Amino acid sequence: AQKVTQAQTEISVVEKEDVTLDCVYETRDTTYYLFWYKQPPSGELVFLIRRNSFDEQNEISGRYSWNFQKSTSSFNFTITASQVVDSAVYFCALSAYSGYSTLTFGKGTMLLVSP
Amino acid sequence: DAGVIQSPRHEVTEMGQEVTLRCKPISGHDYLFWYRQTMMRGLELLIYFNNNVPIDDSGMPEDRFSAKMPNASFSTLKIQPSEPRDSAVYFCASSPMGRGSYNEQFFGPGTRLTVL
Repeated sequence: AQKVTQAQTEISVVEKEDVTLDCVYETRDTTYYLFWYKQPPSGELVFLIRRNSFDEQNEISGRYSWNFQKSTSSFNFTITASQVVDSAVYFCALSAYSGYSTLTFGKGTMLLVSP
Repeated sequence: DAGVIQSPRHEVTEMGQEVTLRCKPISGHDYLFWYRQTMMRGLELLIYFNNNVPIDDSGMPEDRFSAKMPNASFSTLKIQPSEPRDSAVYFCASSPMGRGSYNEQFFGPGTRLTVL
């Protein structure tokens, strides 16, 4: 069975602070995909990133970066110099790699960035 | 390109009434998913279709819920009779299949359902 745990329910920071959202997963698959989605106050779910399990290189996209560590089954997400527009709920998700598989989502972390 | 389209965006109904939620997936996508989001349970997969055929409906909470996909461009999720505990945001998502699809799902804006 697959499981995704986002232990942080809510995080509050002040603008320009760096913030890291934690994601820990469990799976019996040797290859799999990991995802992050963003849900802003408007409610839609926006895809941010997908990683496959055999590529452990960290990824950076602007102020966003992701740290994938297979040894600790973690896929953490860092926002550098946070902005008010980053306020949202962030979901980590997992799927199997072979064939087609559904996404298993974590419960989400609500990030509040105040000015 | 249009994304996943859901209607209505908001629905308020009274307990016992039938509710029908609608979804138009992205053209060319082979998979369609229905999710429910609540504060208590987060995002739950209710059912998904592949090429209009239901593949896994184990997430459907009970017989009051039913979903159909009569063609590649339309799906419905019906609740009959509705109960207050069905109040939630219901998302539809679609996904392409084939090499390079990477299981990425594209979500609609959601339907916020309130059952009084």
